[in-house]
Order: sequence, then C-alpha cells, then structure tokens
Amino acid sequence: DIVMTQSPDSLAVSLGERATINCKSSQSVLYSSKNENYLAWYQQKPGQPPKLLISWASTRESGVPDRFSGSGSGADFTLTISSLQAEDVAVYYCQQYYTPPLTFGGGTKVEI
Amino acid sequence: EVQLVESGGGLVQPGGSLKLSCAASGFTFSGSAMHWVRQASGKGLEWVGRIRSKANNYATAYAGSVKGRFTISRDDSKNTAYLQMNSLKTEDTAVYYCTRLPITSGFDYWGQGTLVTVSS
Repeated sequence: DIVMTQSPDSLAVSLGERATINCKSSQSVLYSSKNENYLAWYQQKPGQPPKLLISWASTRESGVPDRFSGSGSGADFTLTISSLQAEDVAVYYCQQYYTPPLTFGGGTKVEI
Repeated sequence: EVQLVESGGGLVQPGGSLKLSCAASGFTFSGSAMHWVRQASGKGLEWVGRIRSKANNYATAYAGSVKGRFTISRDDSKNTAYLQMNSLKTEDTAVYYCTRLPITSGFDYWGQGTLVTVSS
C-alpha cells in the first residue's frame, strides 16, 4: 500500500500570511506514460464532506480561489495557501489515486 | 446538478450487518466509478473501496481493513451504489461517504454522509 505522510499535523498562520503543507508518498504516484501525478488535495470543514481543491498535483478545480496552489512530482508534494483568509480554517488532506487501495494523508489542521 | 445521497446508516451490534445506499443524480452514473470513504469521529479519511463501471467489468477493490467483510455493488438502472457491511466491528463506527472518481480529477463530488455506529 502507498503510505501518504503529511506534515505538519497542524499549523497556525496569521491572516494574510502563507501556509505550506507537505505530503510525501511512500512510492511515486507519477504515471510516466501520461506524465501525470495522481495526487489530489482536499479541504474539510467541520460537519462537511471534503471538498476537492486540486487534482493532478497542481490543477486547481473550478471555483477554487487562486491563493490555493499545488506543486511537486513523484513522491513529494506541497499545498500552498498564499494569503490565508479566515474561511480557509479547515483540515487539509492529500490523497493518491494512482492505485488501490487509495490512501489519504493524516490531515493538517490550519488555524489562524 | 450532481447529487449523491447516502442512506441506511444506524446503530448495529458488533457482528451485525448493515447495507448503505448511495443514490446518484445529475450525471451519467453508469459510466462512473463509485467509491466509499469513511471517517471516524475526530479522525482522518479512510478509503473503503470502489466499484468501476460496466465497461470495466464492475471491478471492485477494498481496503485491507474491510476486505472479506464489506461488498460494494451497484444498480445502474436505479443510479444507486451499495455498501453491504457484514461482521461489523466497533472500529467500523464512522460517517460513511460515497463519492465518485472521474477520469479527469480526484473525488469531485461527495454525499453528506451517513453515520454507522457499531455498539452493544
């Protein structure tokens, strides 16, 4: 199974400041023939289902603010919130959809 | 508008069974792979399993923690996916979400979830 390891477990960021979340997979999730990383990022607020923010490691979903960006390839990935807003307080998860069992990182709680 | 609505959750004793349903609308259900993800209270997300489309032979896959106990099925005529849970354990207590995985992205739509509580 591919193990997804996120860091940090939590972080506190001032409004308007940058938040950076890291995600490492125990093996590459890059599908070489397609040159695509099968890596997604989700945001989850209390009492709500997760919301897809980014697919393919760096493709922002429609409607997601451009302060959210994803980067990385192979086995090392980063989610960056460039200027934290109050509504960004949530838990963020990375997930690989390269191969079953699909696996999630443990989550990173972002607070003000 | 895409909608996924789970139902069937509730309280069940250890060793018991429960069947969850996920009613889908707003997209071509028959062509979509459907997944189940669960979340214990205060914990992270855990993938449970998936069923692919008819074109992919309704192939299923499961997490190790549920393999042999849980079965995912679908009825394309009813636009509904199912999660049959047998031999339930207290550690299966969680909110169960259904979600879809299109070929173009990660899990793009999620239901609101249904709570399963396994307790004596």
